[in-house]
Amino acid sequence: AQSVAQPEDQVNVAEGNPLTVKCTYSVSGNPYLFWYVQYPNRGLQFLLKYITGDNLVKGSYGFEAEFNKSQTSFHLKKPSALVSDSALYFCAVRDTKEGWSNDYKLSFGAGTTVTVRA
Amino acid sequence: DTEVTQTPKHLVMGMTNKKSLKCEQHMGHRAMYWYKQKAKKPPELMFVYSYEKLSINESVPSRFSPECPNSSLLNLHLHALQPEDSALYLCASSRSIRDRGTDTQYFGPGTRLTVL
Repeated sequence: AQSVAQPEDQVNVAEGNPLTVKCTYSVSGNPYLFWYVQYPNRGLQFLLKYITGDNLVKGSYGFEAEFNKSQTSFHLKKPSALVSDSALYFCAVRDTKEGWSNDYKLSFGAGTTVTVRA
Repeated sequence: DTEVTQTPKHLVMGMTNKKSLKCEQHMGHRAMYWYKQKAKKPPELMFVYSYEKLSINESVPSRFSPECPNSSLLNLHLHALQPEDSALYLCASSRSIRDRGTDTQYFGPGTRLTVL
């Protein structure tokens, strides 16, 4: 099975500073990676995904992520954090399961809580 | 438009009640999903419908019964739930669950379920 790990439970940054949320992956074959954000009492919102192509992926709300094959990482970044970026962030990888034939699912990391202080 | 809607937003039910959660999307997506999410944890996949047929059931107890009446609607029927079933229930949709699995899943806002 494919998996992702988010090594930090919590990230705290000051508003205006760069924000990085870390994600490493473990896959056999090509990695298909996603980032989602969840604000309190809300559903998950899609930020960006890496399928193939450029290693730097640009997404919603000024976020971008860098795919690094040698380090098996897909870190989420924002050059200048806002207080409104405070939320729970999930990294996910395309996964499948024995017996599922051609069906796929997302396997999520444990999540990283980001707090941006004013 | 990437909107998935879910009703109700909140639901409180007793262990003997029968209730249903509803999910709707009008993006023409042919894959729809139910997830269960506990506080500050990642979503856990429950069911997947592909082209209105149940494709994946992640060993969910029978007190949860999914239904896909048409390509835009997904229901989750609840009966004889336990307090530990209290959680945020999320619906999602994507263009397909096949085709390399690279299609983005779009999530609804969720239904906050409390079982007393």
